[in-house]
Amino acid sequence: QSVLTQPPSVSGAPGQRVTISCTGSSSNIGASYDVHWYQQFPGTAPKLLIYGSSNRPSGVPHRFSGSKSGTSASLAITGLQAEDEADYYCQSYDNTLSGSVFGGGTKLTVL
Amino acid sequence: QVQLVQSGAEVKKPGASVKVSCKASGYTFTSYYMHWVRQAPGQGLEWMGIVNPNGGYASYAQEFQGRVTMTSDTSTSTVYMELSSLRSEDTAVYYCASGVRGLTDYYFDYWGQGTLVTVSS
Repeated sequence: QSVLTQPPSVSGAPGQRVTISCTGSSSNIGASYDVHWYQQFPGTAPKLLIYGSSNRPSGVPHRFSGSKSGTSASLAITGLQAEDEADYYCQSYDNTLSGSVFGGGTKLTVL
Repeated sequence: QVQLVQSGAEVKKPGASVKVSCKASGYTFTSYYMHWVRQAPGQGLEWMGIVNPNGGYASYAQEFQGRVTMTSDTSTSTVYMELSSLRSEDTAVYYCASGVRGLTDYYFDYWGQGTLVTVSS
């Protein structure tokens, strides 16, 4: 059972918009800690996608965006492409656990 | 460019220990804390702990306290993660990742390639 809750899977057709939610609590996202997102392809290391809840590292397409409100955060992907099919993880800091926490991951399928 | 290069795959018996290394290059080794994250087969990411490359400070996730030790060697820009009393549930890919922002609100900008540790009798 992950501290941050994500849907196990989402799907969308090419060109569509999908969102992935990440729900936490008052000891992590609700305590004003940022949420960060990672993209992972099978057999490879995760890659930083969004940091500080809404910032994109250099090289990440503008199609990816993040937001945060209250105890939740969201990753949005617009103009869905086949190459976006991957697993996505949210991450934050938890002050009760005194460490980092991840969501359980969401598998994105491009139909 | 920044690179984190980890040691190779390991096969261990239950009860044994494993030590995984992570050699950093392309940046000032002592400028960023290093973290360890693991991923069991078909499962999600699990944070294990943080180590100060300058030495002297490490903090571990509650689940691993008493079984894990994270150390660093500034002379070789290498951090190590040693996990003891291995059990089958420790079978996973172990990643090192450099952390940005210090001791709390951090994120992981660079990752090693991962080291598969298999625990089997």
